[in-house]
Amino acid sequence: DTEVTQTPKHLVMGMTNKKSLKCEQHMGHRAMYWYKQKAKKPPELMFVYSYEKLSINESVPSRFSPECPNSSLLNLHLHALQPEDSALYLCASSQIAGGRPDEQFFGPGTRLTVL
Amino acid sequence: GQNIDQPTEMTATEGAIVQINCTYQTSGFNGLFWYQQHAGEAPTFLSYNVLDGLEEKGRFSSFLSRSKGYSYLLLKELQMKDSASYLCAVRDRNTGGFKTIFGAGTRLFVKA
Repeated sequence: DTEVTQTPKHLVMGMTNKKSLKCEQHMGHRAMYWYKQKAKKPPELMFVYSYEKLSINESVPSRFSPECPNSSLLNLHLHALQPEDSALYLCASSQIAGGRPDEQFFGPGTRLTVL
Repeated sequence: GQNIDQPTEMTATEGAIVQINCTYQTSGFNGLFWYQQHAGEAPTFLSYNVLDGLEEKGRFSSFLSRSKGYSYLLLKELQMKDSASYLCAVRDRNTGGFKTIFGAGTRLFVKA
């Protein structure tokens, strides 16, 4: 299994809703990432987990809450989002070799629309 | 700080060769990646350079000069399916190598 899966593919939510994005990989990768990507812009790093511990939080607002229940799963919990949070949310994973991460494998993304 | 520059758009003809340049500034260079991203899809890994020189993988090659903060991606025998955005990304050693900064991407249009 050489892929990263993400669910759901599309999500529409109101500003008062609570929802979660899910990401899964079975490649034995020990680094997992959340990125946000707006149209015609590059992916922006949000969070990094290494060995199931949060290692990087790029000053992301607290309405985004990441969780890494185990080495294969990564969640992003959403609460009280704003319309400007509408974007493609990408999950990625990478192997850690020699203490540093190799290339990242990206999931297909969740297209989020906040009304 | 960190900065990555790539041309916004390029156009090339099917069967030709195209070179996409990338210049970067970072205080803790720890490797450079090239990714391909088709519209509406996730990025896919193309190549990785950490030492100076050329890395070749089939129709794709990538070059790095660390002293010049410069890389290029060379695509040979262009095909229509190569129309996509090409993202140059630099790994930052200052965060243990776990932070990768992406350039804005170069949109390549391949015409018949």
